This record gives sequence, structure tokens and C-alpha cells, in this order.
Amino acid sequence: AQKVTQAQTEISVVEKEDVTLDCVYETRDTTYYLFWYKQPPSGELVFLIRRNSFDEQNEISGRYSWNFQKSTSSFNFTITASQVVDSAVYFCALSEDGGTSYGKLTFGQGTILTVHP
Amino acid sequence: KAGVTQTPRYLIKTRGQQVTLSCSPISGHRSVSWYQQTPGQGLQFLFEYFSETQRNKGNFPGRFSGRQFSNSRSEMNVSTLELGDSALYLCASSSGGGTGNYGYTFGSGTRLTVV
Repeated sequence: AQKVTQAQTEISVVEKEDVTLDCVYETRDTTYYLFWYKQPPSGELVFLIRRNSFDEQNEISGRYSWNFQKSTSSFNFTITASQVVDSAVYFCALSEDGGTSYGKLTFGQGTILTVHP
Repeated sequence: KAGVTQTPRYLIKTRGQQVTLSCSPISGHRSVSWYQQTPGQGLQFLFEYFSETQRNKGNFPGRFSGRQFSNSRSEMNVSTLELGDSALYLCASSSGGGTGNYGYTFGSGTRLTVV
């Protein structure tokens, strides 16, 4: 069965600090998809990134970057030069391929990020 | 392009009552899935519908049910409400086949409080 673990429950930083959110996943499938979502106080889950299991290329997009390592089953997310508006709950999620996985994301417990001015 | 719309945003119900929540997906998306979010259990998958058929179901009691209409709008129903059903209910829509390859776009959720 699939599982996603976000070991960091809460992180508090001061504006302009870099912050990395950790995510470790478990799956038996060889084809799967990994996601990061952000949930501000309004409640909506905002999509940040999706990676498939065959794409280990790491990427930088503005202040965001991702580090996907299949060897350690990790999919970490870094915010560079954090801002107060980055304060939210961040979720890592896994979707397996195949019929039993239609519509199903398995989420980690979330990491509460607070960025202080 | 309109996003995923969930109605109502807030709802207060009494134990034992039933409730119906609505989700309108992004135009053209045929897959709609539902999630329950609680402080204790986190985000948990309820079920997924595609072209009016339930294709996948999470581990929830039969009091939780859903349906999808021909225009892809979906409703979920909870009967005989319990205090533990108080949660934020989120729906997500997906294009294509509704698998992770197509991604999921979430609505703002319906916050249900059972008193």
C-alpha cells in the first residue's frame, strides 16, 4: 500500500530564509506520480508541482525547487528567500497508476510553514 | 477558465440529519474525486466518479455516497450525520483518464459542522 510521510509537523522561519520541506513515500508501483500542494487558510489546495516516477530531473521555478530521488524515495521541496505569503500548510501526495488508483491521492500529514516578517 | 466550484462553502447540521454537497468540475473534466479533511485523520480519499460511474472508493462507511451527472457535476451525500463527520470536504477534478498523469485541481471545499 502507498504511504507518504512528512516528518516535519511545523516549521517556523524568518522572511528571506530558505526552507526545505521533506517528503518520503512508499509504493510498490513502478509508475507513480508525486505532487506538492499548498493549502492557505482559505482551504483550497493549490497545485505546485507534479513529477512522474520516470522523471528524476530536478527543477527550479522562481523561488521554488524540487529534489526527487528515487533511490531514497524522497521528494523534497525548497522555497528560496521565503516570504510571509508562503505561510501555509504544504502537502506532499502520491498517486499510483492503474485502475485502483483512479482519482486517488495519498497525502502526507502536512507541514505547517510559518514565515515571520 | 472557471475552476472547481463547491457549494455551499459552510454548512451546519444536526446529528442524525443528512447532507448533500455539490461539486462542479472544470469544464471538460470528466473525473471528480472527493476527499475528507480532518485534524486527526488528515486528507482521506472518499471516492471518484468518471462519466457517471464510480470507479474507485476509499475506506468509508456506506453512509457516504455520491453520484455524478451527465454534465460531470457531482454530489456527495452523508446520511445519519455523526459528530465525527465534521470536516472540510474537498473535491478535485481531472482531465483525461483521471489518473495522476493528468493532475488534480481542487475546489475551495465545503466546511461541514455537525452539532
